[in-house]
Amino acid sequence: GQNIDQPTEMTATEGAIVQINCTYQTSGFNGLFWYQQHAGEAPTFLSYNVLDGLEEKGRFSSFLSRSKGYSYLLLKELQMKDSASYLCAVREFTGANNLFFGTGTRLTVIP
Amino acid sequence: GAVVSQHPSRVICKSGTSVKIECRSLDFQATTMFWYRQFPKQSLMLMATSNEGSKATYEQGVEKDKFLINHASLTLSTLTVTSAHPEDSSFYICSAKVEAAFYGYTFGSGTRLTVV
Repeated sequence: GQNIDQPTEMTATEGAIVQINCTYQTSGFNGLFWYQQHAGEAPTFLSYNVLDGLEEKGRFSSFLSRSKGYSYLLLKELQMKDSASYLCAVREFTGANNLFFGTGTRLTVIP
Repeated sequence: GAVVSQHPSRVICKSGTSVKIECRSLDFQATTMFWYRQFPKQSLMLMATSNEGSKATYEQGVEKDKFLINHASLTLSTLTVTSAHPEDSSFYICSAKVEAAFYGYTFGSGTRLTVV
């Protein structure tokens, strides 16, 4: 099974850095994804980690520690348009390689 | 890139009627399609996984007789909400595995279902 936790809401200031944490428990870990979702829209892919360490992609970075069941998404130089929900999703080693989503973190960027 | 087209984007139906939601893969073959439901301010909950040509696998607590999933071809999967009730009002999203892409999955644009 899965138990994926994220903070429900966060607020940060434009231009700042924010870190969104995700902890998970899973029986067969096969990768962790971060998605951005604006209200009423489909999620869009941000990053993917399967090995420990940091993956950097422009203003967004994602970190994974498999031994700790922990990941974070780091957003730098925050912009107003970054206000959205950020979803942590874990893939398991099953026949279909399902994605299971965390509770999502609603980020509000303020001027 | 791989695109999944989901229709309708928004539907309002009367209680007791059925609604069909379609997801089409436009430029690739979707062997596996995942169906999610999302209630307001909540995350995506996996409802079922469908594979082309076989029966869908439903998650615990999801009624397979109420949420009928058909994946008859490699480019089309449908979810039919039968005898809809107001509590079925939600945002439904499909997602297809994209074998050739490292990011793995592509999502439809979602369907907002309101049952009145």
